[in-house]
This record gives sequence, C-alpha cells and structure tokens, in this order.
Amino acid sequence: LAKTTQPVSMDSYEGQEVNITCSHNNIATNDYITWYQQFPSQGPRFIIQGYKTKVTNEVASLFIPADRKSSTLSLPRVSLSDTAVYYCLVAAGTYKYIFGTGTRLKVLA
Amino acid sequence: DSGVTQTPKHLITATGQRVTLRCSPRSGDLSVYWYQQSLDQGLQFLIQYYNGEERAKGNILERFSAQQFPDLHSELNLSSLELGDSALYFCASSPGGQTDTQYFGPGTRLTVL
Repeated sequence: LAKTTQPVSMDSYEGQEVNITCSHNNIATNDYITWYQQFPSQGPRFIIQGYKTKVTNEVASLFIPADRKSSTLSLPRVSLSDTAVYYCLVAAGTYKYIFGTGTRLKVLA
Repeated sequence: DSGVTQTPKHLITATGQRVTLRCSPRSGDLSVYWYQQSLDQGLQFLIQYYNGEERAKGNILERFSAQQFPDLHSELNLSSLELGDSALYFCASSPGGQTDTQYFGPGTRLTVL
C-alpha cells in the first residue's frame, strides 16, 4: 500500500513559481495522482489530476517522473490567495485512496 | 461550490452518543466517498459507495457505518462516540470510475464532549 509524504510547509513570494512534491512508493502504473487545495474549515478543492509524464491546466502543472516514486505540483506565479494547504491524493490499487500529509504554503507579499 | 452538500455543518454531542451525517452528491454522480480529517491522522479514507452498493472500505471503525440510498444521497452513522472521533468529516462524489476526480463537500465538524 502506497505511503505518501509531503514537505510540512513552504514559503514563497508573490509572482514566484512554487513546486510541491509528493513522495509515494509502490504505486502501480495506472494509479492516478490528484492534487487538492484546502482552506481552513473548507473541503479540499480539485486542482489537477494525472497518472504519467506531464499534465497542465489553466491553474497548475503536474509532473510525474518515469519511476513514479513522486509527483510535483507546479503553481506558476503564486498570489496571496494561494496561501493554503495542498494535498496529493493517490488512487492506489483497486479503490484505495491515500492522501498525502499536506503542505502548508504561505505566500508573502 | 463543488455541488456536493453536507448537513449539518456543525455537530456537538457527548461521548457514547450516536450521530448521522448526511451527504448529497453532485447531480449525476453515482459514487460517494467519506473521509475523516483530524489533526493527528490527517485526511483518511473511510468508505465508498457506488450506486447504492459498498465498493471500498478504508480505515473505518466498526462503530461507524454508512449507506447510500436510491436517490444517491448517503449517510454516515457514528455510534458509541469517543472524544477521539472529534474531527471534520468530508463527503466527496464522482461519476463512478476509480480514476474519476472526486469533488468534496464543505464538511461536517463533529465535536464530542
């Protein structure tokens, strides 16, 4: 069963690119990785999802290397409103869902 | 707004009691998932239902149970409550496949005194 770990916290300045990594072992070829953003006392909000190489949408990019032992969420040009906790979710194996430990991102002016 | 609704928003009860949390999925979604978020355990998957049937179980205690009704709404029942059950409980929904994106509701904050 996959274990997923993330850095506890990160600080960044407005306008910078932020990369948050999720480390996961023993995930299968078809296991999907999803990233969520969570504000205090709110439900996780979907950011991006993928299972290999690179996926990009209007708000983020997701990079998954060939060894699939990690994935990286990339947020271009963060703003103060991006201050939140970011979680990866691994759909590991048959109907098993494992959240990462969460990364608290603080964006500074 | 994800389209997933949960009631109640807050719930305060005493140890030993039983409570029911309710979730209505997004229109058209057949799968409902329940998660618990606590400070020490993080976000943990409890259980998934698909079109009325249990599909997957995670770290759900025997004191907890869930069901999904014909109209696809779901209820999570927590009984013999303990102080450690105090947490945020989230419901998520998706169309049904394992690779589908899960959309989360606003959560129910349970406080056990």
